[in-house]
Amino acid sequence: AQSVTQLDSQVPVFEEAPVELRCNYSSSVSVYLFWYVQYPNQGLQLLLKYLSGSTLVKGINGFEAEFNKSQTSFHLRKPSVHISDTAEYFCAVSSIQGAQKLVFGQGTRLTINP
Amino acid sequence: DGGITQSPKYLFRKEGQNVTLSCEQNLNHDAMYWYRQDPGQGLRLIYYSQIVNDFQKGDIAEGYSVSREKKESFPLTVTSAQKNPTAFYLCASSNYMVLDYGYTFGSGTRLTVV
Repeated sequence: AQSVTQLDSQVPVFEEAPVELRCNYSSSVSVYLFWYVQYPNQGLQLLLKYLSGSTLVKGINGFEAEFNKSQTSFHLRKPSVHISDTAEYFCAVSSIQGAQKLVFGQGTRLTINP
Repeated sequence: DGGITQSPKYLFRKEGQNVTLSCEQNLNHDAMYWYRQDPGQGLRLIYYSQIVNDFQKGDIAEGYSVSREKKESFPLTVTSAQKNPTAFYLCASSNYMVLDYGYTFGSGTRLTVV
């Protein structure tokens, strides 16, 4: 079974500052990793995903994440945030083997202050 | 365009009433899921279905029921047995065997008990 821990429930930052949202996972098998974003009163939208290959993955809206197998982490970063990045962010993991469900973290609320 | 449609967007229920939330997808996905989202609690899995005419309970199935008579449709009924149904409900779908694309989410239904 897999589990996901998002280490910060809320992250406040100033506009144009860099941000890192932290995600650690636990799994006994190889995994796929995902970050989703949720704007108020909307569904979740895929930001980026790691399947294999390069450990640095780039997603939409200028976000990127780095897969660190030894640290079992998949932290999300953006070098300069905008007011429009205010949202809730979810890290998720699935086994690469078939018929597995996606396991989500508890979410991190990112608030951008002007 | 392919996607998932949830309806209605807002729903009000009186005490003791059953209500049904609709979820339809045209992505040809085998698996469909229902999640409940409450502030600060992330996503909690209610039910999921990996093939037509089959479904399994998730972590918080009590007070809910589902059916999967068609591949495209996975309606959720919130029964009067669910004591605290006010929440945001999200439907999602995925390929059954390979989660390399994660889930596709609908835009959600906000249910309020009045």
